[in-house]
Amino acid sequence: DTAVSQTPKYLVTQMGNDKSIKCEQNLGHDTMYWYKQDSKKFLKIMFSYNNKELIINETVPNRFSPKSPDKAHLNLHINSLELGDSAVYFCASSYYGTSGNEQYFGPGTRLTVT
Amino acid sequence: AQTVTQSQPEMSVQEAETVTLSCTYDTSESDYYLFWYKQPPSRQMILVIRQEAYKQQNATENRFSVNFQKAAKSFSLKISDSQLGDAAMYFCACETSGSRLTFGEGTQLTVNP
Repeated sequence: DTAVSQTPKYLVTQMGNDKSIKCEQNLGHDTMYWYKQDSKKFLKIMFSYNNKELIINETVPNRFSPKSPDKAHLNLHINSLELGDSAVYFCASSYYGTSGNEQYFGPGTRLTVT
Repeated sequence: AQTVTQSQPEMSVQEAETVTLSCTYDTSESDYYLFWYKQPPSRQMILVIRQEAYKQQNATENRFSVNFQKAAKSFSLKISDSQLGDAAMYFCACETSGSRLTFGEGTQLTVNP
């Protein structure tokens, strides 16, 4: 059984388009995250939701909007895509708190903007 | 804010040998955890080992162990008896309040047969 799933795994689109990436976890975790991994493999947190409430919102362009319909789902919508948005986007989930809980990552979505 | 630094962009090791990957971090928080994650070519992020900052004893998971030096803010990963399957990008990470996980730049490990 897949713990954290993301769809799609690959996404190729043109500049200016709007796209969404979906994430679902079946681990019963209360917190979900979006990370961006750039071309140099650097991983950086973008957003975090705890029980549908936004708790981490890093300096990310307003074109990026996360949506959490319930604690098992966290989607990422991107408006007016730019070349610099090309990256791998990872969804992750865990239990909340500074307690050493492992964050479980999805397989990633490779977004290519042409 | 916390920072995590991995000063070795690339490392290589012979199969069955031992290799150590370096990591330093900086945080103003007293309660934090440290992790090593592995990312093979499949892209999947896999937890290798974790360390509680309040514990002096170094964590060990089979062939993987850490050298945690709290005063020096150093957290290195030792891989013993390296195997071909250990080849991957390794990320050091620090978790602080609110489950905020900050990653280092990564070290690409090559295992030579």
